[in-house]
Formats: sequence, C-alpha cells, structure tokens
Amino acid sequence: DTEVTQTPKHLVMGMTNKKSLKCEQHMGHRAMYWYKQKAKKPPELMFVYSYEKLSINESVPSRFSPECPNSSLLNLHLHALQPEDSALYLCASSLTTGTSTDTQYFGPGTRLTVL
Amino acid sequence: AQSVSQHNHHVILSEAASLELGCNYSYGGTVNLFWYVQYPGQHLQLLLKYFSGDPLVKGIKGFEAEFIKSKFSFNLRKPSVQWSDTAEYFCAVNAGRTGTASKLTFGTGTRLQVTL
Repeated sequence: DTEVTQTPKHLVMGMTNKKSLKCEQHMGHRAMYWYKQKAKKPPELMFVYSYEKLSINESVPSRFSPECPNSSLLNLHLHALQPEDSALYLCASSLTTGTSTDTQYFGPGTRLTVL
Repeated sequence: AQSVSQHNHHVILSEAASLELGCNYSYGGTVNLFWYVQYPGQHLQLLLKYFSGDPLVKGIKGFEAEFIKSKFSFNLRKPSVQWSDTAEYFCAVNAGRTGTASKLTFGTGTRLQVTL
C-alpha cells in the first residue's frame, strides 16, 4: 500500500484565520515532505522531516508552521496567510532520506484558497 | 545546483499516436531520475524511476524511459497513447548524496492532451 492521505481536500480561509492541514501515512516511512503547487507549475519543496525532526526548510515564511507529532503524521499550521498563498499543498513520504534513491509517494493534496 | 528542463510544455496527440516527452537535467554527478504523472483532479503518481543498471526502464501503463548519460536526458516514451493518458507529466531528479536529505527537483511539466 503506497497511500498518503491528506485532510481536508479543500479549505477556504480568511487572512486572519488559523487552520491546519493534516497528512498521514502508514507505510513505515521515516521522511515526510510538504510541497506547494501553483496551477500549471511543478511542486515546490517547502519542508522535509526526517525521523520526526525538521531537516529542510526552504526559506518558507513563518506564517507556515510544520509539525511532525509522530512518524506517521505531518501537520502544516497556517496563520495570517495571504491570497498569494492559495495553492495545492501536497504531502509526500519516503522510506528514508538517507539516500538519493529514495522514492517519494504523494498524497492527493489540499486545495487552499485564501480570501 | 541541479535543474531539470522539459521543453515540451503542451503536446496534443491523437489516440494511438506514439509519444516521446523530453527531459534534460543538469548535474555532473550520479543522478536518480523519476517520471511522475498527474491526471486531472488526481494526485501525483510515480510512473517509473531510474537508479542504475539497464538504462531502459519500464513503468506502469505501458510507459518506458531511456537514460542517456552522454546527453543528460531521460525521455519518456509510449508506443501508442490512449485518451486516458491525458495528464500533466513531470520529470524529476534527485541528485543528493548518500547521507543527505532526499530532495527532488521537478521540471516544469508537460501537459499531454490526447484526442479521440
């Protein structure tokens, strides 16, 4: 089973709201990722967690706050977002980050609209 | 830094036509290469990957890709496309060394439209 699940599927929020995106995998993967994908563009890496520790932050604004409560769960907390943050947010997981042969498996994404 | 180029931004083919999508990368060392597909309204799915060995790799749904090291290319092919192949196709490279974080770099994507 190579399934990564994400909730919610769609989210509409105002610029003053606080919301969270959730990602879950039960494949025993120890690396989890957040990507942002704008329409007709490739995914852009935001964060990488390896063994529940943040290992890469691609200079993402602090209004995005990741959290990895355990090896199966990854959250992305959102606060004071801007309309330009509207995008598809993708979660991915891979077995480890120890080698470049690691294969990432993606979830369906959360379509976020910021009003 | 690694980069990936997909020169075909939008390809329109009739059903049963043959497909070749170009992918070129820039990185001088060992690379690991992937093709992902994103069907309309669906998530990114892995089509195939190349790590080492036979440079011709076969993936799901009849797709294959050929790694040509001298040309820094990893082109995707399918002998006969179907309407259901309409999707966005992304080439990706992971050139991280052992012990470093896995970091995929995606190409800009090619939108394939298959007409009946």
